[in-house]
Amino acid sequence: AQKITQTQPGMFVQEKEAVTLDCTYDTSDQSYGLFWYKQPSSGEMIFLIYQGSYDEQNATEGRYSLNFQKARKSANLVISASQLGDSAMYFCAMSRVNAGNNRKLIWGLGTSLAVNP
Amino acid sequence: GAGVSQTPSNKVTEKGKYVELRCDPISGHTALYWYRQSLGQGPEFLIYFQGTGAADDSGLPNDRFFAVRPEGSVSTLKIQRTERGDSAVYLCASSLTGRTEAFFGQGTRLTVV
Repeated sequence: AQKITQTQPGMFVQEKEAVTLDCTYDTSDQSYGLFWYKQPSSGEMIFLIYQGSYDEQNATEGRYSLNFQKARKSANLVISASQLGDSAMYFCAMSRVNAGNNRKLIWGLGTSLAVNP
Repeated sequence: GAGVSQTPSNKVTEKGKYVELRCDPISGHTALYWYRQSLGQGPEFLIYFQGTGAADDSGLPNDRFFAVRPEGSVSTLKIQRTERGDSAVYLCASSLTGRTEAFFGQGTRLTVV
């Protein structure tokens, strides 16, 4: 069975500094995808970044990068130059790739990030 | 609008009543997902539609829950004989077939009293 573990219930970071949010996963699949989503207080899930299990390079999207360490089964999110608007819940999630078009996601419990001015 | 739309945004109902939650996906998105998010938890998969058919309903908790997507666009999640434990935020997401990222609506907060 697939499982996502986020061990940091809450994190604080000073504005303009970088922060790393931890995510470890467990799967017996060879092909899988890893996602990070942001959920502000409004409730909407906002897609941030995706890493495929066979991607050799770490994914980057603007200020977001994914530190993918396959042997350790970790997919940490790094946010550089934090902004006040980054304060939100952050969820790590995983999907199977070899499941046809079904990209249903298995989610972690989330990390609450607070950016201090 | 261009995003996923869910209505109502909030629904309060009495225990034992029937409710319908609506999801209007992004135009052209053939894949549609329903998730349930309880307080302090990550979302939990309920059901996946590819076009009009429910391709994976393995996450529906019991037979009180049912979802349809008759024309391959709008979907309705139906809950019969609601229980207090059904209280949660119900999230809908849509994506293009084969694409990785799914786009979520703002959810419907269901409260069963």
